[in-house]
Amino acid sequence: SQTIHQWPATLVQPVGSPLSLECTVEGTSNPNLYWYRQAAGRGLQLLFYSVGIGQISSEVPQNLSASRPQDRQFILSSKKLLLSDSGFYLCAWSVVGSVTDTQYFGPGTRLTVL
Amino acid sequence: TQLLEQSPQFLSIQEGENLTVYCNSSSVFSSLQWYRQEPGEGPVLLVTVVTGGEVKKLKRLTFQFGDARKDSSLHITAAQPGDTGLYLCAGAPRSGAGSYQLTFGKGTKLSVIP
Repeated sequence: SQTIHQWPATLVQPVGSPLSLECTVEGTSNPNLYWYRQAAGRGLQLLFYSVGIGQISSEVPQNLSASRPQDRQFILSSKKLLLSDSGFYLCAWSVVGSVTDTQYFGPGTRLTVL
Repeated sequence: TQLLEQSPQFLSIQEGENLTVYCNSSSVFSSLQWYRQEPGEGPVLLVTVVTGGEVKKLKRLTFQFGDARKDSSLHITAAQPGDTGLYLCAGAPRSGAGSYQLTFGKGTKLSVIP
């Protein structure tokens, strides 16, 4: 079966510091991968998605970047965090060519920027 | 831009009551997913519906996809405290749209009081 991991689970960082959040998927090959941010337990905002190694699409201009160095690894980064980067970050995966485009989510990372 | 409107935004009911939450759009979706999310955790997939008029049952939960594939409902019978959480619907764009993205509603926050 497939599993998705995110770490760290929680993170408190000062403004201006760098960021690296990691997501890995097990039990599947060549998944589509996604990064979302969720504010205040409400709707999800898509930040980036990737359909293959080195292929990243950005949905929202921002202080963040994403990379996919390996097939099942997706990394969210920032060189200098802003207060507005605080939130709950979710990684998700889906099957390439799926009829339903169903996405499966990781446990999330709570980021607090002080 | 495709939008999904969820209603109600908040719902607080007593244990044992029945409830229905709605997910509506003016756009057609090729499939629609329902997720439940608990505080501090990632959304967990409950069901995917793909056929107009489709009804799926998951124990006390009944999901229906509208005939025109523009709307969906989730009905919970005899709600229990364990049903408490944020319910999110997400629609996949029409097949062939060339998008890997889901459109998410903002969610219905359900509280079931013992």
